[in-house]
Amino acid sequence: SQQGEEDPQALSIQEGENATMNCSYKTSINNLQWYRQNSGRGLVHLILIRSNEREKHSGRLRVTLDTSKKSSSLLITASRAADTASYFCATGPMDNYGQNFVFGPGTRLSVLP
Amino acid sequence: DADVTQTPRNRITKTGKRIMLECSQTKGHDRMYWYRQDPGLGLRLIYYSFDVKDINKGEISDGYSVSRQAQAKFSLSLESAIPNQTALYFCATSDWGGLVSDEQFFGPGTRLTVL
Repeated sequence: SQQGEEDPQALSIQEGENATMNCSYKTSINNLQWYRQNSGRGLVHLILIRSNEREKHSGRLRVTLDTSKKSSSLLITASRAADTASYFCATGPMDNYGQNFVFGPGTRLSVLP
Repeated sequence: DADVTQTPRNRITKTGKRIMLECSQTKGHDRMYWYRQDPGLGLRLIYYSFDVKDINKGEISDGYSVSRQAQAKFSLSLESAIPNQTALYFCATSDWGGLVSDEQFFGPGTRLTVL
């Protein structure tokens, strides 16, 4: 199965509400990244958190990382219709030389006006 | 201009045909990747290249081959296309952040349909 798996698979909220997505992984990681994908388009990097960090902010985004539970969460505050997209976590393994990121299947977020 | 470009953006072909998807980047990154995306499965790595002389198989390389013609160019070929290779294909690049790759920069994707 995937190294990173997002939860929930789909999320529908009203504009202005907060959206929380979770990512769980199996093996030790060096870093974890979150990406956004608008329908049918390329992925856009949102934020990277390293294994020695617990929380990181970028604008309306807040990412947490709990290495003991092998999980991360992405919080989008005050959501907007433009936040409607799929969100993916990607894990960079600890023994990474020669290896690469593994993407989860994604969470589809719908923000209703 | 986009940093990572892919051609073609859409392609419809028939079973058994040889297809080449091309990727070019202006970011100056050494590392380049090819992924395919199927509905509900996220992205799966096909091949990756850490420099011009380094090519590595990814998770799902069977039925595919690649060529790294230059630092800026990385092509993906389907030797004999089959319908289950119908998917959205993405090229990506990344820099070398010490021990691990940093963020990846994605192209706009190529939608390939094999009839």
